[in-house]
Amino acid sequence: AQSVTQLDSHVSVSEGTPVLLRCNYSSSYSPSLFWYVQHPNKGLQLLLKYTSAATLVKGINGFEAEFKKSETSFHLTKPSAHMSDAAEYFCVVSGVDYNQGGKLIFGQGTELSVKP
Amino acid sequence: DGGITQSPKYLFRKEGQNVTLSCEQNLNHDAMYWYRQDPGQGLRLIYYSQIVNDFQKGDIAEGYSVSREKKESFPLTVTSAQKNPTAFYLCASSLDLPSGGYNEQFFGPGTRLTVL
Repeated sequence: AQSVTQLDSHVSVSEGTPVLLRCNYSSSYSPSLFWYVQHPNKGLQLLLKYTSAATLVKGINGFEAEFKKSETSFHLTKPSAHMSDAAEYFCVVSGVDYNQGGKLIFGQGTELSVKP
Repeated sequence: DGGITQSPKYLFRKEGQNVTLSCEQNLNHDAMYWYRQDPGQGLRLIYYSQIVNDFQKGDIAEGYSVSREKKESFPLTVTSAQKNPTAFYLCASSLDLPSGGYNEQFFGPGTRLTVL
């Protein structure tokens, strides 16, 4: 079975400093991994996805994530935070789990605060 | 513009009443999903559907019902049997159920249901 753990429930950074949101996954198979962002009272927007191609994945708004199989991690980073990055971020795994129809498994979320 | 619409944005219900949340997509996606989101938690799958006139229970289907009479529409009914229905409900769609886990899901803006 697949599972995903977001290691921080809340991260606070200053504007212009780097962002690191940590995610570990567990999967019996080679997983697909996603990061979604959710602004308050909004739906989720896909930031980036890993599907067994390049291990360093670039997404929208300057975010990127690196798939590290040896560490079972898929951490999200951004070199310089912007005020508009303040939101909830979800790490998501979708494995080859045919019994479940390949459903997405969501982490608990990390709330990112950006201070001026 | 292609996308997913949910209505209403806010919904208030008295205890003991059934209420139906609307979800429509014009992305020509085969698969559709309903999730429930509670504060501080990730998304939990209620129901999903791969094809018209077919749907499957997710992790927390009790107290909910769905129908899939048209490809574009996947309404969710929150019944009086749902013990704690106050939550944020998100509808999503994808090209098809990701047997390979590669198809990301696209989300609607959500409906916030409050039981008075």
